[in-house]
Amino acid sequence: NAGVTQTPKFRVLKTGQSMTLLCAQDMNHEYMYWYRQDPGMGLRLIHYSVGEGTTAKGEVPDGYNVSRLKKQNFLLGLESAAPSQTSVYFCASGAFRGYGNQPQHFGDGTRLSIL
Amino acid sequence: GQQVMQIPQYQHVQEGEDFTTYCNSSTTLSNIQWYKQRPGGHPVFLIQLVKSGEVKKQKRLTFQFGEAKKNSSLHITATQTTDVGTYFCAGLSSGSARQLTFGSGTQLTVLP
Repeated sequence: NAGVTQTPKFRVLKTGQSMTLLCAQDMNHEYMYWYRQDPGMGLRLIHYSVGEGTTAKGEVPDGYNVSRLKKQNFLLGLESAAPSQTSVYFCASGAFRGYGNQPQHFGDGTRLSIL
Repeated sequence: GQQVMQIPQYQHVQEGEDFTTYCNSSTTLSNIQWYKQRPGGHPVFLIQLVKSGEVKKQKRLTFQFGEAKKNSSLHITATQTTDVGTYFCAGLSSGSARQLTFGSGTQLTVLP
């Protein structure tokens, strides 16, 4: 049972390049989340999804897009990467008990550097 | 918007000493969760508190939710080197516009 799997684990981009981060979960969870973690700032929610085909903005959505075409996958896209998007990105999933009312299961993270 | 402040930011303790981290919200919370993140790892769910004044224990860890549901604490008794990591609280705001906000975390170092 893999839980939440994120790919890639590391990536270095140049300013202006685009990329997609993939998150896959095998727990049949309804809710999925994308966070970024910066030193001294904890976790900040970028976007989340309450089910297949639905997405919603979180606290810091600008510069990111997401898609949830399949229940088990949640994609995070950077259309034109900026140095301010250098961060560690975590994906999480949760069972259907309402947003914020369920334990979140996190992936191992993607360390992204934008030069 | 909702703010969740967590103190202290860093804490160094000698193995065997106790440790406490505090979480304070600017608004009343529906519930609060606690997570632990080991160095280089990912956050791992520890517990969720829902009721006013609730106290829960997990072995050497004691979690409290304030009577006004605006603050919470995590206390570790007799720390061990395995307790090393960053402890985060995450508060869910009450009302119709639900928002889950993470605190900035307390990084615990345990000296052997």
